[in-house]
Amino acid sequence: DTAVSQTPKYLVTQMGNDKSIKCEQNLGHDTMYWYKQDSKKFLKIMFSYNNKELIINETVPNRFSPKSPDKAHLNLHINSLELGDSAVYFCASSQDSRGGANYGYTFGSGTRLTVV
Amino acid sequence: RKEVEQDPGPFNVPEGATVAFNCTYSNSASQSFFWYRQDCRKEPKLLMSVYSSGNEDGRFTAQLNRASQYISLLIRDSKLSDSATYLCVRHSGGYNKLIFGAGTRLAVHP
Repeated sequence: DTAVSQTPKYLVTQMGNDKSIKCEQNLGHDTMYWYKQDSKKFLKIMFSYNNKELIINETVPNRFSPKSPDKAHLNLHINSLELGDSAVYFCASSQDSRGGANYGYTFGSGTRLTVV
Repeated sequence: RKEVEQDPGPFNVPEGATVAFNCTYSNSASQSFFWYRQDCRKEPKLLMSVYSSGNEDGRFTAQLNRASQYISLLIRDSKLSDSATYLCVRHSGGYNKLIFGAGTRLAVHP
């Protein structure tokens, strides 16, 4: 039973298109994250939700819009895709993070997005 | 200066060797650190937490030096299966945000 699952695993699309990536976790965690890993392998946080509430919103173009319908799901919608959006997008989850608690993440296997 | 800096490597070592990686961080208020391991085209996985007193897990030892703001990972008796990228991670307080270094690549050869 996969703990954090993302779909799709691979996504190839043309510039200007709109696409979504879905993420689900069955660990009972309250907090979910989106990270982007670029071609230099640098993992950078984009967003975090705690129990459906947006708590971290880094400097990300507003073409990227996360949505969390419930605490087990966090989706990422990207409008007007650009070449520079090509990267691997990782979803992750952890226990309740409010108050600065220190919990490790469980990552999904990633979505490799290629914009052509 | 990047928040977490690592030597990208690669470190090419023979099986059985001992290898050590360092990582420096810029925020002296940081309290918690981790080492994650990432295999090629896979997701990062937690290897171990790093405590002030140092900690050991089998062949792996992690140390934290707060005065010099660096953490280290020592791998003894390297195995082929240790080949991976090792990510140094700083916990940023507040909402459990993890700040990742760009990783150090290790290649263990027969």
